[in-house]
Amino acid sequence: EIVLTQSPGTLSLSPGERATLSCRASQTVSRNYLAWYQQKPGQAPRLLIYAASNRATGIPDRFSGSGSGTDFTLTISRLEPEDFAVYYCQQYGGSPVTFGQGTKVEIK
Amino acid sequence: EVQLVESGGGLVKPGGSLRLSCAASGFTFSNYGMAWVRRAPGEGLEWVSSISSTSTYIYYADSVKGRFTISRDNAKNSLYLQMNSLRAEDTAVYYCARIPVSGTWYFDFWDQATLVTVSS
Repeated sequence: EIVLTQSPGTLSLSPGERATLSCRASQTVSRNYLAWYQQKPGQAPRLLIYAASNRATGIPDRFSGSGSGTDFTLTISRLEPEDFAVYYCQQYGGSPVTFGQGTKVEIK
Repeated sequence: EVQLVESGGGLVKPGGSLRLSCAASGFTFSNYGMAWVRRAPGEGLEWVSSISSTSTYIYYADSVKGRFTISRDNAKNSLYLQMNSLRAEDTAVYYCARIPVSGTWYFDFWDQATLVTVSS
């Protein structure tokens, strides 16, 4: 099973700042099959990025994904008030699919 | 608009059974694989089970294999999760989610979730 480790656990930033979230895999993620999700309290997770760098439909271009192999990054170029949430990475290149433990982006 | 509406959660005793249902609308249900994902209190997300569009391929996490059964009824646009021999560690919010691309296992739409509590 591929273990995904997200860092930091919590990121305290101000609106307008840049957020950089890391997701490290315990082994190579096949085909860079890595997705990112955003979840707010009481809401369903929302797909942001799939295949490491492809934005899902309707996702603003301030969200970008990068990386390959075992190291992946989600970048939010300029934080908007609605971006403060928990972010999860997920790998689907190996079985079973697994998720990271999440990074909380909170208002500083 | 894609909608997934779940029902069937609740409180059940250890060893008991529960059946979750997920009603889909706003898309051609029979064209998509579906999955169940859960999050236990204070924990991260855990994939539970997936089913292909025609039920040909079915997969389970080791933690639920032999106890949970995923199924679907394309005529009713519905996904199900039959949960038997429930344990305290199955306590979680359960999401049904759509798989957008056959053969890949990421999820583009999720429902609001239903809470399953296993406790005596």
